[in-house]
Amino acid sequence: DAKTTQPNSMESNEEEPVHLPCNHSTISGTDYIHWYRQLPSQGPEYVIHGLTSNVNNRMASLAIAEDRKSSTLILHRATLRDAAVYYCILLMNYGGATNKLIFGTGTLLAVQP
Amino acid sequence: GAVVSQHPSWVICKSGTSVKIECRSLDFQATTMFWYRQFPKQSLMLMATSNEGSKATYEQGVEKDKFLINHASLTLSTLTVTSAHPEDSSFYICSARAGTGLEKLFFGSGTQLSVL
Repeated sequence: DAKTTQPNSMESNEEEPVHLPCNHSTISGTDYIHWYRQLPSQGPEYVIHGLTSNVNNRMASLAIAEDRKSSTLILHRATLRDAAVYYCILLMNYGGATNKLIFGTGTLLAVQP
Repeated sequence: GAVVSQHPSWVICKSGTSVKIECRSLDFQATTMFWYRQFPKQSLMLMATSNEGSKATYEQGVEKDKFLINHASLTLSTLTVTSAHPEDSSFYICSARAGTGLEKLFFGSGTQLSVL
């Protein structure tokens, strides 16, 4: 299974942008890059996903390197509620409904007021 | 957005008893549901994948007779921890997906199981 590498932890100040990196050098051409986050004592929450092009939604932006071996999740203005563990996951496309998400260790983001 | 409801949110049971956890997709039909467990300060570990009407597929090292999964309808999956022991104490999380398999997962809020 293709794996991802993320820093264990990062810190940010409130209302500043945050760039969360993820390396996935063994990604294959059909793997999707998914990001989820998990607040304490809760289930994970979907953030964003992409394949090749950069993606934007109301929560965040996803910048994907041209060679797809790395990506960056961008939170444009961090708030205290963004403090969570952020998981970068490759969704391997086996071509069916059994494609599954295998979580890595994630990045613990701390947001300082 | 789509909602996955998981119950109970926490349960305490005696060693040797069985515990059932329910996972429901409230406003969509879940073709596939997944069950994860998470120990404190660790990541989520996938236990099994279930498709409606068929047997669950368990990940390596997960005992299928210990963790019974039933996915009887497109909106309900259950996980039963049989003959629970203290080492089964963990945070159990379900997730559900509609569609082709490349879309996002929706997660339940988790169930904290404590076995005494």
